[in-house]
Amino acid sequence: DVKVTQSSRYLVKRTGEKVFLECVQDMDHENMFWYRQDPGLGLRLIYFSYDVKMKEKGDIPEGYSVSREKKERFSLILESASTNQTSMYLCASTWHNEQFFGPGTRLTVL
Amino acid sequence: DQQVKQNSPSLSVQEGRISILNCDYTNSMFDYFLWYKKYPAEGPTFLISISSIKDKNEDGRFTVFLNKSAKHLSLHIVPSQPGDSAVYFCAAQRLGNQGGKLIFGQGTELSVKP
Repeated sequence: DVKVTQSSRYLVKRTGEKVFLECVQDMDHENMFWYRQDPGLGLRLIYFSYDVKMKEKGDIPEGYSVSREKKERFSLILESASTNQTSMYLCASTWHNEQFFGPGTRLTVL
Repeated sequence: DQQVKQNSPSLSVQEGRISILNCDYTNSMFDYFLWYKKYPAEGPTFLISISSIKDKNEDGRFTVFLNKSAKHLSLHIVPSQPGDSAVYFCAAQRLGNQGGKLIFGQGTELSVKP
């Protein structure tokens, strides 16, 4: 069974804080993705990575950065959190055409 | 520029009846279309997919139909069960250099009433 885990299910941070969201997959997948899910907007791609130390911007990269130092781990960084980054964050990894998602992190920025 | 659209934010059906969820897309270069199901506080899970060279794919109670000329696909669930109540996302994919990148629609919340 493919497993994608995310470090926190719920997170509350203050405006201006630096926030790290961690994602780990245990199936040696090369491609990993970060999305945010907002009501009425579906899942929007923030960043993705197709190999260690490689990253590509998605559709909404502003205000975010990522790190992929090891194949199994893909981190999303909010350098200075803002209230409009309150959202559900979903990590995924890919095997063939199929994406496997983690359980999500509900981030609230106050 | 929304390349994948689900125009119905919600759908309510009676248990045992058919649920039809619709999805429209604009890019004729998509190679695959996928449906994901999402329960609250969980990540989306893959449900069913269809290649752009096919017009129908069936898996148990779930059937996906693709109409390329209309750039439209639909997911049929027959018979609908209360456990099918969830948000359903349509997604499209181009193979090759995008690493499996998916473009999602806005989602449709299905409610199946007993």
